[in-house]
Amino acid sequence: QKEVEQDPGPLSVPEGAIVSLNCTYSNSAFQYFMWYRQYSRKGPELLMYTYSSGNKEDGRFTAQVDKSSKYISLFIRDSQPSDSATYLCAMSVGMAGNNRKLIWGLGTSLAVNP
Amino acid sequence: NAGVTQTPKFRVLKTGQSMTLLCAQDMNHEYMYWYRQDPGMGLRLIHYSVGEGTTAKGEVPDGYNVSRLKKQNFLLGLESAAPSQTSVYFCASSYRGGDSGANVLTFGAGSRLTVL
Repeated sequence: QKEVEQDPGPLSVPEGAIVSLNCTYSNSAFQYFMWYRQYSRKGPELLMYTYSSGNKEDGRFTAQVDKSSKYISLFIRDSQPSDSATYLCAMSVGMAGNNRKLIWGLGTSLAVNP
Repeated sequence: NAGVTQTPKFRVLKTGQSMTLLCAQDMNHEYMYWYRQDPGMGLRLIHYSVGEGTTAKGEVPDGYNVSRLKKQNFLLGLESAAPSQTSVYFCASSYRGGDSGANVLTFGAGSRLTVL
């Protein structure tokens, strides 16, 4: 079993839909949870990160962490064609030494259709 | 502010040839990383560096070597390229520590390598 599981999709939705992207993990020591967005033929870029449990909102994007279920989510409201990309989750235990190591999901490919 | 710059962007090699991928960052980051990204395999860490003059192995280091002679540069070498090394290679960098506590990576645009 991989430490981080992420459904690769692809996920196809109409413009304006609410999108839910998810990752599950097995290591209860993870404290930092990140979402990266990767456009086709580009490098990943950080979208959002959260520490420990709870929600974080940034515009149309909301990141949620449920540590009791070992489950994280990224919600996109009012999705736009420009949101079409691959979304990767990543997590780490901490900042010192080996705890800095990021464990990545495989990424979910999202297409938002006009 | 260029961020992380990778050269070359594309390269085709024959089996057994050697080459070096160059990565430069202008953000004064201490940490630098080389990843490869393959369909169905995700991002896999090849080698990383925690500072000038230091390097360490990641998950898939075999067949690759790295050097970090200057803080801003991180080089990835393939001594004898194999078809299994056909991939997209990403360089990334990060601060040693930040007020967020998160190890936030900044990635380059990628280098697409094909080994025939």
